[in-house]
Amino acid sequence: GAVVSQHPSRVICKSGTSVKIECRSLDFQATTMFWYRQFPKQSLMLMATSNEGSKATYEQGVEKDKFLINHASLTLSTLTVTSAHPEDSSFYICSGGGIGGDTQYFGPGTRLTVL
Amino acid sequence: ILNVEQSPQSLHVQEGDSTNFTCSFPSSNFYALHWYRWETAKSPEALFVMTLNGDEKKKGRISATLNTKEGYSYLYIKGSQPEDSATYLCAFPSSNTGKLIFGQGTTLQVKP
Repeated sequence: GAVVSQHPSRVICKSGTSVKIECRSLDFQATTMFWYRQFPKQSLMLMATSNEGSKATYEQGVEKDKFLINHASLTLSTLTVTSAHPEDSSFYICSGGGIGGDTQYFGPGTRLTVL
Repeated sequence: ILNVEQSPQSLHVQEGDSTNFTCSFPSSNFYALHWYRWETAKSPEALFVMTLNGDEKKKGRISATLNTKEGYSYLYIKGSQPEDSATYLCAFPSSNTGKLIFGQGTTLQVKP
């Protein structure tokens, strides 16, 4: 199957700082990537759809100014959590592919802890 | 609001036991049903994408069935092994855009 990498795997930061998470498709081109978030004991929840060369589409309740998404190439999407606060502490995971209901290929995720 | 439910939430079985779990999803506007296996510290791995009512798919000792009319899918594992220990997720695309709605998962632990 296709491979997606995610970096960093774990980050601890102070409240108020910004954190950038990278999602790369290593062996396929992804015009669309998806960003999910998982809080403890909850489902993976879609945050936004990242589209190469255009603006991301955010799900209801997700602040676009707080979670900045950039999809500058067919293999890289980045999620920047701006001015992170403890309530942003969560597990963030990206995926590529999946158009038309097809298989999505996931990265290994990033554990963000905001102190 | 579309909802995907999985049961049970967790399962402990002995090596060699066969087991199954359930995913319930909305039966209207069906596009596909995905099953993923998620081992700790790894990426979720796609198991099956199921699209046709009555479909049955198999991958080694793991198989899945689909009933789109009543909105459920079963995942079966025959002769569970410790390496099958993982969280099994089902997901329902809410449209053909690829947006997935996930269930909470069933965490399986297989004891040697």
